Order: sequence, then structure tokens, then C-alpha cells
Amino acid sequence: GNSVTQMEGPVTLSEEAFLTINCTYTATGYPSLFWYVQYPGEGLQLLLKATKADDKGSNKGFEATYRKETTSFHLEKGSVQVSDSAVYFCALGFSENTPLVFGKGTRLSVIA
Amino acid sequence: GAVVSQHPSWVICKSGTSVKIECRSLDFQATTMFWYRQFPKQSLMLMATSNEGSKATYEQGVEKDKFLINHASLTLSTLTVTSAHPEDSSFYICSATGFTYNEQFFGPGTRLTVL
Repeated sequence: GNSVTQMEGPVTLSEEAFLTINCTYTATGYPSLFWYVQYPGEGLQLLLKATKADDKGSNKGFEATYRKETTSFHLEKGSVQVSDSAVYFCALGFSENTPLVFGKGTRLSVIA
Repeated sequence: GAVVSQHPSWVICKSGTSVKIECRSLDFQATTMFWYRQFPKQSLMLMATSNEGSKATYEQGVEKDKFLINHASLTLSTLTVTSAHPEDSSFYICSATGFTYNEQFFGPGTRLTVL
């Protein structure tokens, strides 16, 4: 079956630190990969996505590269801010008409 | 991006009562909507897929008589939790997609607390 595994949290970093949140997937076929962010008390927002191998998704200083050989889509940011504190979900999907498969989420806390 | 709303954002009800949650696509026609359930500090679990004008397709283990889903129009889907019990307390999130989009748009979620 299809599944997503992401690193357990919580992750606590100081402002301006480098962030990596690992995500690996198992899928039959060639999925698109996503990172969603959920701020406290809010719904999910799409952060970035990649639709095929070697694609790099990027947004708001975050980036992730679709690595087919390692079945990974790790999220990175060079310098985190307090406002980046949220829960980050890695997900995969095959089309807009099929449901997404989510990882368990990683809570990030950035302290000043 | 497109906007999806949910109403109410938060509801408390007594055990045994029914609660209806609405999911609306505000600026596009949603051909497909998905309902997810999120337990505290856990991931989103798909409950059902809803296509406009068709019966919803439920995931294994989800009681369709307990979680009634109706997608009667291209802008509205409803989830009714019938005879709610404390174990139904959760965060319910919908997402929607339409003809001209290649991604899903998520609603802000509804927190249900059953006393």
C-alpha cells in the first residue's frame, strides 16, 4: 500500500537555525509529493509540492526535492523564524481526485 | 488559491445528539470533496470521498450510518455525525478539488467535542 513516514517530533530550534524534517514514502506508481503546514487552530495549507522525480518544490524559504532513488522528500529551510512554528505534514497523492496519504506530522517549535 | 470554508469551526454537543458540519467551496465548483478526521497530535485519516450527485465512498472501518455524507451541490458537502458519543470527539477536516485545479484545498476544520 501507499504510506508516508516522517520524523517524529517535536522539533525545537532556535531562531535562524537550519531545519530538516525527513520524509520517506512507499507508493505503487508515481505519486506527487506535498508538504502541508498547520498553524495552531487552523486548517492545512499547502506549503510546496513536487510532481515528478528530481523536481524541487519551494515556498517561503522552504524547499524539498523529490528523490525517487531514496523515496524521500525531506523538507529544509536555511534559517527558521518563530513564525514557522507549526505542524508540518508530508503527503502523497496521485491526482486531484484521489485522497492524500499523510504522514503523522512533525511539530516544530522555534524559540527566539 | 481556491477557498474552502467549514461551519461551524467549533461545536460542543451532548452525547446522543446529531451534529451537522458543512464544507463549502467558496469560489469554485467542487466535483470531489474528501472528509478527514484528525486525532490529537496524529495524522489525518481519510473517512470518505464524496463526488457531487453520488453516494459517498467510505473507507474501511468508517460507519456510513453514523457518519452521513451528502454532496448535493457543486459547492456544498455535509457530514452529519449521528448519535454522537464522546469517542467521536475529534477535528474534522474537509478538502475539495474542482475541474480546473490539480490540487486539493483544505477547509480550516471543525472541532467536535461530545460531552
